[in-house]
Amino acid sequence: QQQVKQSPQSLIVQKGGISIINCAYENTAFDYFPWYQQFPGKGPALLIAIRPDVSEKKEGRFTISFNKSAKQFSLHIMDSQPGDSATYFCAAFPSGTYKYIFGTGTRLKVLA
Amino acid sequence: GEEVAQTPKHLVRGEGQKAKLYCAPIKGHSYVFWYQQVLKNEFKFLISFQNENVFDETGMPKERFSAKCLPNSPCSLEIQATKLEDSAVYFCASSPTKSSTDTQYFGPGTRLTVL
Repeated sequence: QQQVKQSPQSLIVQKGGISIINCAYENTAFDYFPWYQQFPGKGPALLIAIRPDVSEKKEGRFTISFNKSAKQFSLHIMDSQPGDSATYFCAAFPSGTYKYIFGTGTRLKVLA
Repeated sequence: GEEVAQTPKHLVRGEGQKAKLYCAPIKGHSYVFWYQQVLKNEFKFLISFQNENVFDETGMPKERFSAKCLPNSPCSLEIQATKLEDSAVYFCASSPTKSSTDTQYFGPGTRLTVL
């Protein structure tokens, strides 16, 4: 069973701080690594994504770092804001399949 | 439409009853995916469609779950004889292609509660 392990389960950060969420995968054959943001009562929405041939991708305050040899990737949220409070899911797209494998989610709370 | 629409928002069924969920993908999207999110936030892939054809059904519990995407109709996910463990939020997502780099756009979900 292909798995994506995500940590921490929950995270509390002060406003303006850096939020870091980590994911690790167990299968080398993944094509794509998206991060989704989910607010209560809503469906997940794509936040940022990276391909395995890239080591870092930055979009505004959000950065993905990807370490292929360690099979790990992480989401960094700079200058965290209360509006960032949500559950974040990493995901991986196995090669040759057309479905996401999701991590177990990280509930982020940013204190005002 | 520009958003994935799912109905109903909430569904309550007694154990053993049938449940039917609907999904209207974004116009022009050929691929539809169903995921089940249980209380611990874990997402489980159920099934995907390319237009009206089943593309991947490896996640579907075959005994009680079925799904369809018919032309000019919303896609549907049906659970016969619901069980307590079917209680979850069911998300539908659509994508223009099956490419890994094409975003899957998720609907707001249908919360199914089986009593």
